[in-house]
Amino acid sequence: DAGVIQSPRHEVTEMGQEVTLRCKPISGHNSLFWYRQTMMRGLELLIYFNNNVPIDDSGMPEDRFSAKMPNASFSTLKIQPSEPRDSAVYFCASSLMTGRSYEQYFGPGTRLTVT
Amino acid sequence: GQQVMQIPQYQHVQEGEDFTTYCNSSTTLSNIQWYKQRPGGHPVFLIQLVKSGEVKKQKRLTFQFGEAKKNSSLHITATQTTDVGTYFCAGWSGGSYIPTFGRGTSLIVHP
Repeated sequence: DAGVIQSPRHEVTEMGQEVTLRCKPISGHNSLFWYRQTMMRGLELLIYFNNNVPIDDSGMPEDRFSAKMPNASFSTLKIQPSEPRDSAVYFCASSLMTGRSYEQYFGPGTRLTVT
Repeated sequence: GQQVMQIPQYQHVQEGEDFTTYCNSSTTLSNIQWYKQRPGGHPVFLIQLVKSGEVKKQKRLTFQFGEAKKNSSLHITATQTTDVGTYFCAGWSGGSYIPTFGRGTSLIVHP
């Protein structure tokens, strides 16, 4: 199993540009999470999908952020337009929610730098 | 909303010393998980605790879930340089599929 795959691993962009982060969850998992990690704010949940449907997006900072999950094997997180304060490491995690087991598998992350 | 506090924020130890990190929730949890993130890496699942008063061990790591299911701890015996990283707890409330992560405790082990 390749685990959760994220791309790109590093992204450097200028303020105002559109950024798209990609995630391929583990096959068979029914839940997908997008997180943002910074030194100041720690690990923040942005959005949670279950069976490809967005269930909770209360963590999405503002309208500049959007996330989609068109099928069970692919999700995107888009920032448009990007700002320097969006600089962070963005993690995608997937999970198979069964009964009491909520173990999350994190991808390697995308380190985003907005200049 | 639910809050999960984790202390200490940082801990420096000499190799061979013990280490403990504590996690406290503002609400009763249905379960709690612990993750480890190596420097430059991503969080990796260590364990999940579900029962009140539960204690689980993984080699030199001991995990406890409080009787009231509002606190938890991770204890490492005789730390090694391979234990370096940030340890996070993640609490789940009953009926919720969204975890609340603590801020993490960064462990620095000096050889």
